[in-house]
Amino acid sequence: QVQMVQSGAEVKKPEASVKVSCKTSGYSFTTYGFIWVRRAPGQGLEWVGWINTYDGDTIYAPRFQGRVTMTTDTSTNTGYMELNSLTYDDTAVYYCARGRAGYYHFDYWGQGTLVTVSS
Amino acid sequence: QSALTQPASVSGSPGQSITISCTGTSSDVGGYNSVSWYQQSPGKAPKLIIYDVNNRPSGVSPRFSGSKSGNTASLTISGLRADDEADYFCNSFTSSVTYIFGSGTTVTVL
Repeated sequence: QVQMVQSGAEVKKPEASVKVSCKTSGYSFTTYGFIWVRRAPGQGLEWVGWINTYDGDTIYAPRFQGRVTMTTDTSTNTGYMELNSLTYDDTAVYYCARGRAGYYHFDYWGQGTLVTVSS
Repeated sequence: QSALTQPASVSGSPGQSITISCTGTSSDVGGYNSVSWYQQSPGKAPKLIIYDVNNRPSGVSPRFSGSKSGNTASLTISGLRADDEADYFCNSFTSSVTYIFGSGTTVTVL
């Protein structure tokens, strides 16, 4: 069965970086891409970006452009999202989700990773 | 545009039907048949319940249905049940080749 297992909670100081992982199993890794989404406390879902696992092509939401980097490791079927220059507003639960190029929905999700930015 | 527009909350009694709207523009909701809907319960990951405006993934109850007219998409939950209480988010592909979520709607079963 399809599984997407994310790394554990992180606490970071302002201006630091965080890297969240999403290890997958149960499907052909390069057939599907990833999106990363976050939900801050009291807020809604926010789309962070997309990575095509086949060719590594990325598309980032404009507000994260220059601050986020998405990568994948096809040897371990794992996706990564690194966010730099953290501020308190980056405190949120970050989710990975599976999507397919040319399709417009995301059918399997990781369990979420809480990133807390605190001094 | 930071988010598609949804009502903050919708409520209904068990057995009733409710509808959640999701309003965007011709650059997102109105321009593509790509609207999907996600249900998120507290402490859980979002769950896909509708894709491509009106399609249900395998295993999702037929009580959930979707539609679209112009720049507004809608999710209808019929035969409302207590376990439908959750936050609901729409999502659309955009002309900028990005995705945008709705502001979210909290469903309360009275």
